[in-house]
Amino acid sequence: ETGVTQSPTHLIKTRGQQVTLRCSSQSGHNTVSWYQQALGQGPQFIFQYYREEENGRGNFPPRFSGLQFPNYSSELNVNALELDDSALYLCASSPGGGGRTYNEQFFGPGTRLTVL
Amino acid sequence: RKEVEQDPGPFNVPEGATVAFNCTYSNSASQSFFWYRQDCRKEPKLLMSVYSSGNEDGRFTAQLNRASQYISLLIRDSKLSDSATYLCVVNIGDAGNNRKLIWGLGTSLAVNP
Repeated sequence: ETGVTQSPTHLIKTRGQQVTLRCSSQSGHNTVSWYQQALGQGPQFIFQYYREEENGRGNFPPRFSGLQFPNYSSELNVNALELDDSALYLCASSPGGGGRTYNEQFFGPGTRLTVL
Repeated sequence: RKEVEQDPGPFNVPEGATVAFNCTYSNSASQSFFWYRQDCRKEPKLLMSVYSSGNEDGRFTAQLNRASQYISLLIRDSKLSDSATYLCVVNIGDAGNNRKLIWGLGTSLAVNP
């Protein structure tokens, strides 16, 4: 087990609603990344937070937003849900700092979101 | 051209076989490279980081070819438990703290008895 936890594990929402997903990073890790993975696809990078600041963003619209808290846990918020937002949302933590391990990421089990 | 490309497979090989996957990337400024393994309906798990000098971990060998912009993963003596999807990851972040991590779609491997 990686020590990265996510909640909830499954979620069903309807189009237009808002959702908040949560992630607790592995102890000692100060960097959290969020990914969207549709069925049969590789993970798509949404954004990354490092010490409470956004530190890189993929090609996702502004209705995807996030937060990182002082304890390095994180939230992903998605507004105005669309049907295509149905996917597995993965959170990954990494140790940050310098050296080769900076980008080695450890994933939580994911939240499976279904938008109806 | 996609930023990171992998042959989706599936690769079907017998137990004990040697199998190799390649992953090409388009951005020559890419800095870090990784192979992850993902089992069906599970989260990805880091398999190996890929260093310029190449690296080996038991039956797994990863190599980087910057001139041709690809990384490779070699699995020797395949086991049934190696059946999974193998994902290539490339970091094309800039020299500062900005990070942009691009994932391939994955290569599916099935090892058969």
